[in-house]
Amino acid sequence: QKEVEQDPGPLSVPEGAIVSLNCTYSNSAFQYFMWYRQYSRKGPELLMYTYSSGNKEDGRFTAQVDKSSKYISLFIRDSQPSDSATYLCALISSGSARQLTFGSGTQLTVLP
Amino acid sequence: GAVVSQHPSWVICKSGTSVKIECRSLDFQATTMFWYRQFPKQSLMLMATSNEGSKATYEQGVEKDKFLINHASLTLSTLTVTSAHPEDSSFYICSASGRGIRGYEQYFGPGTRLTVT
Repeated sequence: QKEVEQDPGPLSVPEGAIVSLNCTYSNSAFQYFMWYRQYSRKGPELLMYTYSSGNKEDGRFTAQVDKSSKYISLFIRDSQPSDSATYLCALISSGSARQLTFGSGTQLTVLP
Repeated sequence: GAVVSQHPSWVICKSGTSVKIECRSLDFQATTMFWYRQFPKQSLMLMATSNEGSKATYEQGVEKDKFLINHASLTLSTLTVTSAHPEDSSFYICSASGRGIRGYEQYFGPGTRLTVT
């Protein structure tokens, strides 16, 4: 079993839809949770970063962490074609020297 | 967010030659840099972690003599692929964290596409 599981998709939605992206993890030592967006042939771009259970909102993006269920989500409201990319969850465990453990990534296409 | 650059963005080399990839943090001091490899439609695979002024720590299965990493300053790390072979063709991405960066945030470079012929 992988430490971090993420549905690879692909996921296609119409413009304006609410998108829900999810990851589950097995190691309770993970304390820091990030979401990255990666466009094709580009490096990942940090979208959201949180370290506690609950919601964190930034514009159209909301990151949600449920440590008791070991479940993290990223919601995208009013999705745009420019949101089409691969979304990667990334987790850091305490004492891991800042090493990221990535999910496999979900490929999202927002159709105009 | 913080800015990390990589050079070159794309390189083609002949089998048996060596290639050096540079990773620079432009607006912060990178005390730690990471090197990843990514195959098409796959996630990032951590190759090694380097702290400024120290030897890199390589992940299991990564040949340290083949992938030479140098982190000589707080703004520059280099990855040299020695005696490259076609199976080394991949997308190489660096990331950095450090002073002036919040908590455990890591910022990635744009990546370098290596093709070995």
